[in-house]
Amino acid sequence: DTEVTQTPKHLVMGMTNKKSLKCEQHMGHRAMYWYKQKAKKPPELMFVYSYEKLSINESVPSRFSPECPNSSLLNLHLHALQPEDSALYLCASSHQSGTTEAFFGQGTRLTVV
Amino acid sequence: GQNIDQPTEMTATEGAIVQINCTYQTSGFNGLFWYQQHAGEAPTFLSYNVLDGLEEKGRFSSFLSRSKGYSYLLLKELQMKDSASYLCAAFSGGYNKLIFGAGTRLAVHP
Repeated sequence: DTEVTQTPKHLVMGMTNKKSLKCEQHMGHRAMYWYKQKAKKPPELMFVYSYEKLSINESVPSRFSPECPNSSLLNLHLHALQPEDSALYLCASSHQSGTTEAFFGQGTRLTVV
Repeated sequence: GQNIDQPTEMTATEGAIVQINCTYQTSGFNGLFWYQQHAGEAPTFLSYNVLDGLEEKGRFSSFLSRSKGYSYLLLKELQMKDSASYLCAAFSGGYNKLIFGAGTRLAVHP
């Protein structure tokens, strides 16, 4: 199993809503990532979890709140988002040592209205 | 700091060979990845180099020179379906970060 599964695939939310993005992998990877990607731009790193602990927060606004309940799951809780937060949100995972590739999920296409 | 440079756009002809270059400056460098991304889809892994030299995988090859901070992706026998963005990414093991370049949009013409 070399899959990273993200749900939902598409999400439309209002600026006052609270929603969560979910990511799951069963490859035994201990590093998990959230990236944000706008159209025609490269993925931008948001958060890195290493052994279920937040190791990197790339100065992401607090309206984005990550959570890693266990080694297979990664969530991104969303609250009071802005229209400019509309983007493709990508989850990825890799072996902690970084000696193999990072596998990406198919992403959640988020639209904030 | 972290800096990854690659050309913005390239065009090539079906059946030809194209080389996409990437230069990087990153602390704690621990490997160089190439990903392919079609519009609206997630990046898919193409290759990984951690040691100097050439890695070949079918129609795709990737080269790394750590001393020069330089890599390239070589695509042979181009097909129309190879039209996509190609992302160079450096893994900073010290910080457990995978940082992407801006991507090169490749257009393959008949």
